[in-house]
Amino acid sequence: EVQLVESGGDLVQPGGSLRLSCAASGLTFSNYNMNWVRQAPGKGLEWISYIHSGGNTIWYANSVRGRFTISRDNAKNSLYLQMNSLRDEDTAVYHCATSGGYRFGYWGQGTLVTVSS
Amino acid sequence: QSALTQPRSVSGSPGQSVTISCTGTSSDVGGYNYVFWYQQHPGKAPKLMIYDVTKRPSGVPDRFSGSKSGNTASLTISGLQAEDESDFYCGSFAGNSWVFGGGTKVTVL
Repeated sequence: EVQLVESGGDLVQPGGSLRLSCAASGLTFSNYNMNWVRQAPGKGLEWISYIHSGGNTIWYANSVRGRFTISRDNAKNSLYLQMNSLRDEDTAVYHCATSGGYRFGYWGQGTLVTVSS
Repeated sequence: QSALTQPRSVSGSPGQSVTISCTGTSSDVGGYNYVFWYQQHPGKAPKLMIYDVTKRPSGVPDRFSGSKSGNTASLTISGLQAEDESDFYCGSFAGNSWVFGGGTKVTVL
């Protein structure tokens, strides 16, 4: 069974930093392109970042470019999201998700990030 | 990277059909045949219902169908059932990004 388990969500003040992790099991992680997708409370889904299976191609949404950094460690079957200069509007549940064929396949349940003073 | 436009809600009685529209631009919906639809129940991860505009993953009932015309994609649910009551999100590949719609709440009357 494929499992994606996010961790690292917390309450953080505006301007602060946080690092999210996504631990993958039940799949050959190094074969999968990975993404972070977030959902603000009561709001819709927002794709925020993509990293190719080999880590050599990375994309960001305009809303996070320059503040967030996606990375992966295939040896540890893990995906990361370093979030800096956090804003109130970054408050959301952050999901990691695989992508293939231009759609998202497996999703984690998400980790909650709350940005508030 | 503007969000796709979906109606906030649609409703129908059991057995009826409902259609959800999803309007984008020539840079996303109109430019690629990579439109997808997800169903999300409260507190759950999204579930893929339609991909590549019209394709259904294994296990998704054929009551769910997708289509596209120009910059607008549509999801039709035929034979509405109680368990269909949930949120539906469209999305599209947009070059070096993806964009989602704001979501549509489907209510079964």
